[in-house]
Order: sequence, then C-alpha cells, then structure tokens
Amino acid sequence: KAGVTQTPRYLIKTRGQQVTLSCSPISGHRSVSWYQQTPGQGLQFLFEYFSETQRNKGNFPGRFSGRQFSNSRSEMNVSTLELGDSALYLCASSLTGYEETQYFGPGTRLLVL
Amino acid sequence: AQSVTQLGSHVSVSEGALVLLRCNYSSSVPPYLFWYVQYPNQGLQLLLKYTSAATLVKGINGFEAEFKKSETSFHLTKPSAHMSDAAEYFCAVSVGNQGGKLIFGQGTELSVKP
Repeated sequence: KAGVTQTPRYLIKTRGQQVTLSCSPISGHRSVSWYQQTPGQGLQFLFEYFSETQRNKGNFPGRFSGRQFSNSRSEMNVSTLELGDSALYLCASSLTGYEETQYFGPGTRLLVL
Repeated sequence: AQSVTQLGSHVSVSEGALVLLRCNYSSSVPPYLFWYVQYPNQGLQLLLKYTSAATLVKGINGFEAEFKKSETSFHLTKPSAHMSDAAEYFCAVSVGNQGGKLIFGQGTELSVKP
C-alpha cells in the first residue's frame, strides 16, 4: 500500500504571498492531520480533517486553513505569508483518527523570504 | 490538559551502549503513547505504540518502551546502539477525545559515536 504523499516537497515564497500544500493519505484512511515543525517550537498540531469536516484545530491564526476532499486528499493553505511561517509541514493519516497510529508523509519544506 | 516532556534535547552514546531516551506525560485520561523517529529531511516513522494492552511495548529496530503509570513515564530503550540509530526521537500522546491530534514532546537528538 502506498504511503502518505505530500506535494510539493520544497517551496520558496516571499512575504505576503499565499501557498497551498497537498497531502494524499494512505488508501482507506479518512483522517488527515497537519503539523508544523520548526526548530524553535517543535511539532505543533495545525488541524485535522475527517470526512471533509474539520474536526480539530490547533492554536494558529486564521491565515492557516485547510480542506479535505471526498477522496480524503487534503490541502492546507497559508495566506499572507510571514517569515515565521518557514517550516516543515507534515501531514499524517489514519483510519479514523481516534487513538490510532498516524502515518506521516515526508513533509513539505517551506521557506519564506 | 495533556502534555509531553522529553528530558534531554541531545543524548550521545557510544556504539554498542545502552540507549535511554526519557519521556514523561501528563494526561487526565488513560493515554495512548507513541514514539516516532525522524531521520534528516524525512517525515516521522512510528517506532512503537502503547495502547494499554501491555506495559512493555516492543517496537521496530530493537527498541522497546515501558509504560509506568505511577511515574507517568514512557521511556524508550535499546540495549545496544547502532550508528544507524542516530536521528531525532519524539514522544507523543494521543488526545483521546479530540480525534487525530497528537501532542509531541520537544524531541531528543540521539548521536552515536563509533
């Protein structure tokens, strides 16, 4: 079974721009979670989608948003990019999300200049 | 509220020596606990998972962890370190009533000296 895939793997943007990252979960998985990883803050939960609905949200500003499609693929969007948004963005999938193993993709490394 | 604390941001061991990475958790409900490993420029890979079935959990690559409720700990061990174990290790707790949300510790970078 194919693992979690994320595209693109690397991205360079400038301040003020917006960006969209994509995540394809493992086949059959309906829960997709997104995390931001930075050297200073570590791994922080952004949000989780299940059956096209946002089920949980972390403590991030409204510039961070996401959605999930009927095939469980998910996208996250960051508008009005700031330098501090430079990070590795990881998505993870699981069957239903509750107390299950989350399988992570390789991440998208975003650099904001 | 759930939280995870990993003691030691960096641990260095010699090849063949015992690896001990410490993790303490705080949870108001019985926790589901995980250890993940991250190699440079890669995502996270599951090492092992505690689900209350057994307090001693064996994982991949010779790692194991013991759940101690009285100490609220879930330390990761490996009897003999290998050079390929050099990576960053994360302990995480699943927030049971909040779906697919993991709370991670700050991570411990493991170095293995020849």
